[in-house]
Amino acid sequence: NAGVTQTPKFRVLKTGQSMTLLCAQDMNHEYMYWYRQDPGMGLRLIHYSVGEGTTAKGEVPDGYNVSRLKKQNFLLGLESAAPSQTSVYFCASSGWDPLTADTQYFGPGTRLTVL
Amino acid sequence: AQSVAQPEDQVNVAEGNPLTVKCTYSVSGNPYLFWYVQYPNRGLQFLLKYITGDNLVKGSYGFEAEFNKSQTSFHLKKPSALVSDSALYFCAVRDTGFQKLVFGTGTRLLVSP
Repeated sequence: NAGVTQTPKFRVLKTGQSMTLLCAQDMNHEYMYWYRQDPGMGLRLIHYSVGEGTTAKGEVPDGYNVSRLKKQNFLLGLESAAPSQTSVYFCASSGWDPLTADTQYFGPGTRLTVL
Repeated sequence: AQSVAQPEDQVNVAEGNPLTVKCTYSVSGNPYLFWYVQYPNRGLQFLLKYITGDNLVKGSYGFEAEFNKSQTSFHLKKPSALVSDSALYFCAVRDTGFQKLVFGTGTRLLVSP
Protein backbone atom coordinates (compact mmCIF):
# COMPACT_ATOMS: atom_id res chain seq x y z
CA ASN A 1 0.00 0.00 0.00
CA ALA A 2 1.94 3.00 -1.31
CA GLY A 3 -0.65 5.64 -0.39
CA VAL A 4 -0.27 8.74 -2.56
CA THR A 5 2.62 8.91 -5.00
CA GLN A 6 3.75 11.78 -7.22
CA THR A 7 6.00 11.90 -10.26
CA PRO A 8 8.37 13.50 -10.91
CA LYS A 9 9.99 14.56 -7.63
CA PHE A 10 11.92 17.44 -9.18
CA ARG A 11 11.68 19.33 -12.46
CA VAL A 12 13.25 22.42 -13.99
CA LEU A 13 11.41 24.10 -16.86
CA LYS A 14 12.06 27.07 -19.05
CA THR A 15 9.41 29.74 -19.38
CA GLY A 16 6.81 28.67 -21.91
CA GLN A 17 7.45 24.95 -21.65
CA SER A 18 4.71 22.54 -20.71
CA MET A 19 4.62 19.57 -18.37
CA THR A 20 2.29 17.21 -16.57
CA LEU A 21 2.51 16.15 -12.95
CA LEU A 22 1.09 12.75 -12.13
CA CYS A 23 -0.58 11.79 -8.87
CA ALA A 24 -1.66 8.25 -8.07
CA GLN A 25 -3.44 6.83 -5.02
CA ASP A 26 -4.15 3.23 -4.14
CA MET A 27 -6.67 3.81 -1.33
CA ASN A 28 -9.75 3.88 -3.59
CA HIS A 29 -10.44 7.46 -2.54
CA GLU A 30 -13.15 9.45 -4.27
CA TYR A 31 -11.66 12.90 -3.73
CA MET A 32 -8.33 14.18 -4.98
CA TYR A 33 -6.66 17.58 -4.73
CA TRP A 34 -3.74 19.55 -6.08
CA TYR A 35 -2.09 22.18 -3.87
CA ARG A 36 0.87 24.47 -4.22
CA GLN A 37 3.05 25.45 -1.28
CA ASP A 38 4.89 28.74 -1.23
CA PRO A 39 6.87 30.26 1.65
CA GLY A 40 4.69 32.26 4.02
CA MET A 41 1.50 31.34 2.19
CA GLY A 42 0.74 27.86 3.40
CA LEU A 43 -1.00 25.50 1.03
CA ARG A 44 -3.35 26.82 -1.62
CA LEU A 45 -5.80 24.63 -3.49
CA ILE A 46 -5.35 24.67 -7.27
CA HIS A 47 -7.96 22.16 -8.48
CA TYR A 48 -9.81 19.24 -7.02
CA SER A 49 -11.95 16.30 -8.08
CA VAL A 50 -14.93 14.67 -6.40
CA GLY A 51 -14.77 11.54 -8.52
CA GLU A 52 -13.65 9.96 -11.75
CA GLY A 53 -14.34 12.24 -14.70
CA THR A 54 -14.95 15.34 -12.57
CA THR A 55 -12.80 18.37 -11.85
CA ALA A 56 -13.36 21.75 -10.21
CA LYS A 57 -11.41 24.94 -9.63
CA GLY A 58 -9.86 25.76 -6.32
CA GLU A 59 -8.39 28.97 -4.97
CA VAL A 60 -5.60 29.50 -7.55
CA PRO A 61 -6.53 27.66 -10.78
CA ASP A 62 -5.17 30.08 -13.40
CA GLY A 63 -2.43 28.62 -15.58
CA TYR A 64 -3.22 25.02 -14.65
CA ASN A 65 -5.44 22.29 -16.04
CA VAL A 66 -6.34 18.92 -14.56
CA SER A 67 -7.85 15.62 -15.59
CA ARG A 68 -9.23 12.63 -13.69
CA LEU A 69 -9.73 9.94 -16.32
CA LYS A 70 -9.19 7.13 -13.84
CA LYS A 71 -10.27 7.11 -10.20
CA GLN A 72 -6.75 6.47 -8.96
CA ASN A 73 -5.00 9.15 -11.01
CA PHE A 74 -5.16 12.94 -10.98
CA LEU A 75 -3.02 14.85 -13.48
CA LEU A 76 -1.96 18.49 -13.19
CA GLY A 77 -0.87 20.23 -16.39
CA LEU A 78 1.01 23.43 -17.01
CA GLU A 79 0.51 24.44 -20.63
CA SER A 80 2.93 27.39 -20.67
CA ALA A 81 5.02 27.57 -17.54
CA ALA A 82 5.80 30.92 -15.92
CA PRO A 83 8.34 31.78 -13.19
CA SER A 84 5.39 32.52 -10.86
CA GLN A 85 4.61 28.80 -10.98
CA THR A 86 7.87 27.93 -9.27
CA SER A 87 6.63 26.10 -6.20
CA VAL A 88 6.27 22.78 -4.44
CA TYR A 89 3.19 20.91 -5.62
CA PHE A 90 1.35 18.44 -3.42
CA CYS A 91 -1.34 16.00 -4.33
CA ALA A 92 -3.75 14.67 -1.72
CA SER A 93 -6.71 12.32 -1.56
CA SER A 94 -9.56 11.58 0.83
CA GLY A 95 -12.40 9.12 1.07
CA TRP A 96 -16.11 9.52 1.78
CA ASP A 97 -16.34 7.10 4.70
CA PRO A 98 -17.91 9.16 7.51
CA LEU A 99 -15.28 7.93 9.96
CA THR A 100 -12.38 9.21 7.91
CA ALA A 101 -13.95 11.88 5.76
CA ASP A 102 -12.05 15.17 5.61
CA THR A 103 -8.76 13.48 6.48
CA GLN A 104 -6.52 14.10 3.52
CA TYR A 105 -3.51 11.96 2.69
CA PHE A 106 -0.65 13.74 0.97
CA GLY A 107 1.97 12.71 -1.51
CA PRO A 108 5.66 13.57 -1.06
CA GLY A 109 5.53 16.60 -3.36
CA THR A 110 7.06 17.78 -6.63
CA ARG A 111 9.54 20.64 -6.55
CA LEU A 112 9.17 22.67 -9.75
CA THR A 113 11.44 25.49 -10.82
CA VAL A 114 10.58 27.65 -13.83
CA LEU A 115 13.47 29.69 -15.19
CA ALA B 1 -15.42 32.24 4.18
CA GLN B 2 -13.79 29.83 6.54
CA SER B 3 -10.27 30.71 7.61
CA VAL B 4 -7.60 29.93 10.17
CA ALA B 5 -4.74 32.04 11.43
CA GLN B 6 -1.44 30.93 12.87
CA PRO B 7 -0.01 34.01 14.55
CA GLU B 8 3.52 32.66 15.07
CA ASP B 9 5.88 31.95 12.21
CA GLN B 10 8.19 30.05 14.54
CA VAL B 11 8.08 28.55 18.02
CA ASN B 12 11.24 27.63 19.89
CA VAL B 13 11.18 25.24 22.82
CA ALA B 14 13.73 23.19 24.72
CA GLU B 15 13.49 19.42 24.69
CA GLY B 16 11.43 18.15 27.59
CA ASN B 17 9.44 21.36 27.95
CA PRO B 18 5.76 21.64 27.03
CA LEU B 19 4.96 23.14 23.65
CA THR B 20 2.01 25.05 22.27
CA VAL B 21 1.40 25.99 18.65
CA LYS B 22 -1.43 28.48 18.28
CA CYS B 23 -4.32 28.54 15.85
CA THR B 24 -7.45 30.68 15.74
CA TYR B 25 -10.35 30.16 13.42
CA SER B 26 -13.17 32.06 11.76
CA VAL B 27 -16.11 30.02 10.52
CA SER B 28 -19.80 30.17 9.87
CA GLY B 29 -21.46 27.21 11.48
CA ASN B 30 -19.74 24.42 13.35
CA PRO B 31 -15.98 24.23 12.84
CA TYR B 32 -14.21 21.12 11.59
CA LEU B 33 -10.58 21.72 12.57
CA PHE B 34 -7.38 19.86 11.77
CA TRP B 35 -3.70 19.81 12.50
CA TYR B 36 -1.13 18.50 10.04
CA VAL B 37 2.66 18.20 10.34
CA GLN B 38 5.24 18.45 7.59
CA TYR B 39 8.74 17.08 8.09
CA PRO B 40 11.54 18.35 5.82
CA ASN B 41 11.12 17.34 2.18
CA ARG B 42 7.98 15.38 2.95
CA GLY B 43 4.26 15.73 2.38
CA LEU B 44 1.84 16.70 5.12
CA GLN B 45 0.77 14.11 7.66
CA PHE B 46 -2.51 14.15 9.54
CA LEU B 47 -2.14 14.63 13.32
CA LEU B 48 -5.64 15.10 14.68
CA LYS B 49 -9.03 16.64 14.08
CA TYR B 50 -11.94 18.12 15.97
CA ILE B 51 -15.46 17.67 14.68
CA THR B 52 -17.59 17.47 17.80
CA GLY B 53 -17.47 16.14 21.35
CA ASP B 54 -14.67 16.57 23.86
CA ASN B 55 -12.80 19.84 23.65
CA LEU B 56 -9.48 18.02 24.15
CA VAL B 57 -8.57 15.95 21.13
CA LYS B 58 -5.74 13.43 21.22
CA GLY B 59 -3.74 12.64 18.14
CA SER B 60 -0.59 11.00 16.83
CA TYR B 61 2.90 11.18 18.37
CA GLY B 62 1.59 12.36 21.77
CA PHE B 63 0.07 15.57 20.45
CA GLU B 64 -3.26 16.93 21.56
CA ALA B 65 -5.30 20.00 20.74
CA GLU B 66 -7.70 22.05 22.80
CA PHE B 67 -10.81 23.43 21.15
CA ASN B 68 -12.04 26.64 22.77
CA LYS B 69 -15.25 27.98 21.30
CA SER B 70 -15.33 31.24 23.25
CA GLN B 71 -11.81 32.15 22.14
CA THR B 72 -12.23 30.59 18.66
CA SER B 73 -8.95 28.77 19.13
CA PHE B 74 -7.60 25.31 18.45
CA HIS B 75 -4.10 25.23 19.91
CA LEU B 76 -1.82 22.24 19.44
CA LYS B 77 -0.04 21.01 22.55
CA LYS B 78 2.40 18.41 23.78
CA PRO B 79 3.44 17.95 27.41
CA SER B 80 7.10 17.17 26.67
CA ALA B 81 8.75 18.18 23.39
CA LEU B 82 11.22 16.00 21.51
CA VAL B 83 13.91 17.16 19.11
CA SER B 84 12.22 14.96 16.52
CA ASP B 85 9.07 17.10 16.82
CA SER B 86 10.88 19.86 14.93
CA ALA B 87 8.80 20.41 11.80
CA LEU B 88 6.29 22.70 10.11
CA TYR B 89 2.79 22.55 11.59
CA PHE B 90 -0.36 23.53 9.76
CA CYS B 91 -3.79 24.25 11.17
CA ALA B 92 -6.71 23.77 8.78
CA VAL B 93 -10.47 24.16 8.68
CA ARG B 94 -13.01 22.43 6.48
CA ASP B 95 -14.47 24.74 3.90
CA THR B 96 -18.23 25.10 3.58
CA GLY B 97 -20.24 22.64 1.53
CA PHE B 98 -17.55 20.15 0.68
CA GLN B 99 -14.58 18.49 2.27
CA LYS B 100 -12.03 20.98 1.06
CA LEU B 101 -9.56 22.23 3.62
CA VAL B 102 -8.35 25.79 4.09
CA PHE B 103 -4.86 25.83 5.56
CA GLY B 104 -3.08 28.36 7.72
CA THR B 105 0.33 29.69 6.78
CA GLY B 106 2.15 27.25 9.02
CA THR B 107 4.29 27.49 12.17
CA ARG B 108 7.81 26.18 12.29
CA LEU B 109 8.57 24.39 15.54
CA LEU B 110 12.20 24.13 16.59
CA VAL B 111 13.00 21.92 19.56
CA SER B 112 16.52 22.37 20.86
CA PRO B 113 18.42 19.61 22.70
